[in-house]
Amino acid sequence: GENVEQHPSTLSVQEGDSAVIKCTYSDSASNYFPWYKQELGKGPQLIIDIRSNVGEKKDQRIAVTLNKTAKHFSLHITETQPEDSAVYFCAEKGALRSGGSNYKLTFGKGTLLTVNP
Amino acid sequence: EAEVAQSPRYKITEKSQAVAFWCDPISGHATLYWYRQILGQGPELLVQFQDESVVDDSQLPKDRFSAERLKGVDSTLKIQPAELGDSAMYLCASSLGLRENTEAFFGQGTRLTVV
Repeated sequence: GENVEQHPSTLSVQEGDSAVIKCTYSDSASNYFPWYKQELGKGPQLIIDIRSNVGEKKDQRIAVTLNKTAKHFSLHITETQPEDSAVYFCAEKGALRSGGSNYKLTFGKGTLLTVNP
Repeated sequence: EAEVAQSPRYKITEKSQAVAFWCDPISGHATLYWYRQILGQGPELLVQFQDESVVDDSQLPKDRFSAERLKGVDSTLKIQPAELGDSAMYLCASSLGLRENTEAFFGQGTRLTVV
């Protein structure tokens, strides 16, 4: 079945530094990889996503890279700020059944990012 | 800005009691998901609807959990009877469709505590 591994489980950085979170996936047919930010007591919020037809996507201080050959993708946050502190989840969207046309999201276990002022 | 609405935000119930959660997806979103998130872990899919039809409920504990989306809009997830291990955050999400690259948007969740 599909599996998403996420590392590290916790990450502490100083304000202004960069943070990198990495994920690997097993379903080689997956083509959509979103990242979610979850603040305490709230639902996950989509912050950026990447589709397999591109290798990198950037949105202000956030960027994602995708290596389909190696089946891994990463989230990069530059110039971190205290409000970036949250749990970040990677996910991959794979087919419910092999060769099918319905898809489901499978999440990693999350990374607790702490940005110290 | 359109958002997924869930209620209640918090629910405390005694074990063996029944409990129900409600979700109203973003208008026009045909696909609705219920996820369970245990503290410290990522969300895990319980059931997925396309309009009023169940597309996948393979991870739903059907002896005690049920879900419906009768008119293809809002949805209810029920647990009867609740067990201590059901304590978790229950998240609803919606997307335009089941296609591979459609974004899914989450509600704020219902935090369930079973005592």
